[in-house]
Formats: sequence, C-alpha cells, structure tokens
Amino acid sequence: GQQLNQSPQSMFIQEGEDVSMNCTSSSIFNTWLWYKQDPGEGPVLLIALYKAGELTSNGRLTAQFGITRKDSFLNISASIPSDVGIYFCAGQEGGTSYGKLTFGQGTILTVHP
Amino acid sequence: GAVVSQHPSRVICKSGTSVKIECRSLDFQATTMFWYRQFPKQSLMLMATSNEGSKATYEQGVEKDKFLINHASLTLSTLTVTSAHPEDSSFYICSASMTGSSYEQYFGPGTRLTVT
Repeated sequence: GQQLNQSPQSMFIQEGEDVSMNCTSSSIFNTWLWYKQDPGEGPVLLIALYKAGELTSNGRLTAQFGITRKDSFLNISASIPSDVGIYFCAGQEGGTSYGKLTFGQGTILTVHP
Repeated sequence: GAVVSQHPSRVICKSGTSVKIECRSLDFQATTMFWYRQFPKQSLMLMATSNEGSKATYEQGVEKDKFLINHASLTLSTLTVTSAHPEDSSFYICSASMTGSSYEQYFGPGTRLTVT
C-alpha cells in the first residue's frame, strides 16, 4: 500500500522561529492534507491541497503540493507557544480507494517561550 | 461548520464486554465516515470506511466481526468493539466527509477506550 515518510520526527524551537516539515510518498496522491493534533484530541484540518504545484496559505501556515504529486511541505512562520502539537500530513488516493487517507508518522513540535 | 462529535469521550470496560462508540456529523451530512485507531505517540491507522446504508469496508488485518460498524444515517456511524480485550485499549477516532466531497475529512475528538 501507500507509504508516507514525514520528517522531521520532532522539532524543538524557540518562539518566533520558522518551522518547516515535509512528507514524501512512494506513489502519487491526488490530494494532500495537513492536520494538527493536540494531546487527547482529534486532528484538526489546517490546509488542503488539490493540485500539483499548488501553494496555499492559512495565516502563518503555508503548504505546497509537490509538482511530482509525491511530496508536500508545511511551513509555519513566527512560531508561538500554541503551535505546540503533532502535525500530520495525509495523502488522499483516487480510483477505487477514493477518499481514503494515508497518514505520515507525524512531527512533534515543541516551542519554547 | 463541519463539526464531528464522538461519544463517549472516555470509557473503561471489563474484558469480554462490548462497547459502542458513536460518531456524529453535527452540521453536515456525511455519506462516508472513517474509523481510525491511534496508539500512543503513533500515527492514525485506518480501520474501516463506512458508507451510509451499506456494509463497511475493512482494512487488511482488521477483524470485521470484532469491530462492528453501522452507518445507519447520513449523520451517525457507530463502532462496536465486541468481546473487548486489554489489547483493544486505544484511542479511536472517527472522521466524516461531506456528501458530494471526499476531499476533506473532519475528525471527531476521539474516544479513549481502556479495557481492564
């Protein structure tokens, strides 16, 4: 099946710094989604990407759908303490598996005030 | 908009008993709902895809007779863990896609199941 490699696994940064994380896939996805999960909660959708090459922003967050459709990155600018959490990328398949999401391993973000 | 709820948020049960978890889309109709399982510090693993009015599609390795899924309406899906064992203890999360769009999945807050 599809596999997503997400990196880095964890990041420890100072408040105000920028953050970048990415996901790569062995196969093509039709859609890339980025989620944030707080402890004991369900993931919350941050950004959805639908077209290869698409660059989308949501406040301090920016994500891009790679041209090859096998990768995506998420940038967070000027981090703040509430950015702490686990960030997941997810690729959405097409064809007979329409709608199914494959998740990356997650990036644990810690922001020091 | 796009709010998904789960009930209960936490449940403790004894081995051998069954537990039902509800997933509701509160402000939209969801043709498709998904059930995930998440172990501590790990990613989400898809267990099954549930379509309203039809049988769920289970992922490889997931026992359909143990994890019963019912999607009776466009706003409700239930997961029943039958004859629970301690190894079934986990965080169960559902998600829902709006009718007419499968691009974005909205997740519930999760249910923490502990089997003693």
